[in-house]
Amino acid sequence: QQQVKQSPQSLIVQKGGISIINCAYENTAFDYFPWYQQFPGKGPALLIAIRPDVSEKKEGRFTISFNKSAKQFSLHIMDSQPGDSATYFCAAGKAGGTSYGKLTFGQGTILTVHP
Amino acid sequence: DGGITQSPKYLFRKEGQNVTLSCEQNLNHDAMYWYRQDPGQGLRLIYYSQIVNDFQKGDIAEGYSVSREKKESFPLTVTSAQKNPTAFYLCASSIRREPGVQPQHFGDGTRLSIL
Repeated sequence: QQQVKQSPQSLIVQKGGISIINCAYENTAFDYFPWYQQFPGKGPALLIAIRPDVSEKKEGRFTISFNKSAKQFSLHIMDSQPGDSATYFCAAGKAGGTSYGKLTFGQGTILTVHP
Repeated sequence: DGGITQSPKYLFRKEGQNVTLSCEQNLNHDAMYWYRQDPGQGLRLIYYSQIVNDFQKGDIAEGYSVSREKKESFPLTVTSAQKNPTAFYLCASSIRREPGVQPQHFGDGTRLSIL
């Protein structure tokens, strides 16, 4: 029930295209859903995050769509650029109790944007 | 600049040897975390600490140990009991502000290999 399932494992997109990565979760107690971007040899960096009181959040070219009833959320990268080529992780966390602050991560998606 | 410093960047372990990975943060964050990253498996939580002198096991704590004697430091020891230690180890920290989960900030990792 703690799992977060991420798809696809890898994604190839042409420059200027839209990249879409999906995640699904089981635990309805999750109330925080971040996306991280990781370049080779570096730690993940927070890209954008959403809480379940909204269905969409946009920051520049990055948008999170959240469907509470389906227990799914997705990352959309508009006008994808070669510099966006990285590994993307979704995660989910819940406040309260001894699990406070813990994040459960998806398996990651390797995005390649061709020029 | 505030951030998380992990050292060393690369570490080699001999059979039967314990090794300690360093994690220091100057962000004044209360909570700190250790993750293990293997290809295709995302990030898995080893240990986490919400306050000084307190820590909890994560999902894969066997073969690892930690201490939290200072707010800014959270070293991880990979013991000889961890039979498959080759991985990329990531340290993270976050503030603790109720009620919601707060973003985690990551260091740039230590890559551990067996000699």
